[in-house]
Amino acid sequence: AQSVTQLGSHVSVSEGALVLLRCNYSSSVPPYLFWYVQYPNQGLQLLLKYTTGATLVKGINGFEAEFKKSETSFHLTKPSAHMSDAAEYFCAVSESSGNTPLVFGKGTRLSVIA
Amino acid sequence: NAGVTQTPKFQVLKTGQSMTLQCAQDMNHNSMYWYRQDPGMGLRLIYYSASEGTTDKGEVPNGYNVSRLNKREFSLRLESAAPSQTSVYFCASSEAGGLGGKLFFGSGTQLSVL
Repeated sequence: AQSVTQLGSHVSVSEGALVLLRCNYSSSVPPYLFWYVQYPNQGLQLLLKYTTGATLVKGINGFEAEFKKSETSFHLTKPSAHMSDAAEYFCAVSESSGNTPLVFGKGTRLSVIA
Repeated sequence: NAGVTQTPKFQVLKTGQSMTLQCAQDMNHNSMYWYRQDPGMGLRLIYYSASEGTTDKGEVPNGYNVSRLNKREFSLRLESAAPSQTSVYFCASSEAGGLGGKLFFGSGTQLSVL
């Protein structure tokens, strides 16, 4: 069975500072990994995903994440935070076999301070 | 494109009342899902349907039933609502190729059970 741990339920950064949201996963088979973002009063939308191939994946709005198998991690980064990045971010994992649904982490709320 | 449409957006029930949450997608996706979102708990899977005619329990199925009416529609029913079912409910669908692919979410239903 898969699981996801997001370190830090709330992260606060200054505008222009580096954003780092941490995600560690557990999976007995090669995983597919995802980051979703949820803006207030909206559903979730995909930021980026890793399936196979290049371990550094780029997503929308300048975000990127790196799959590190040895560390079982998939941390999300952005070099320079904007006020519009304030939202809740969810890491999710599924099996590459396609036989199980996504399992989500508990989420990290990102605040951006002017 | 409408994507995933959920109705209603808001609902208030009294304990013991029943209701059905409706969900429809127009992307010809095989798989559909119902999640609930609670503060500090992330998204938890209630039920899912890998394809038309099949449904399976997720992490938190107790107190709920589902119907995959056709390929487009997947409804969630609360037979006797309880205060513990106060939550935000999200319907989602995923692209072909198994259960672990990219999810497309509806905008959610905010349910309060008094």
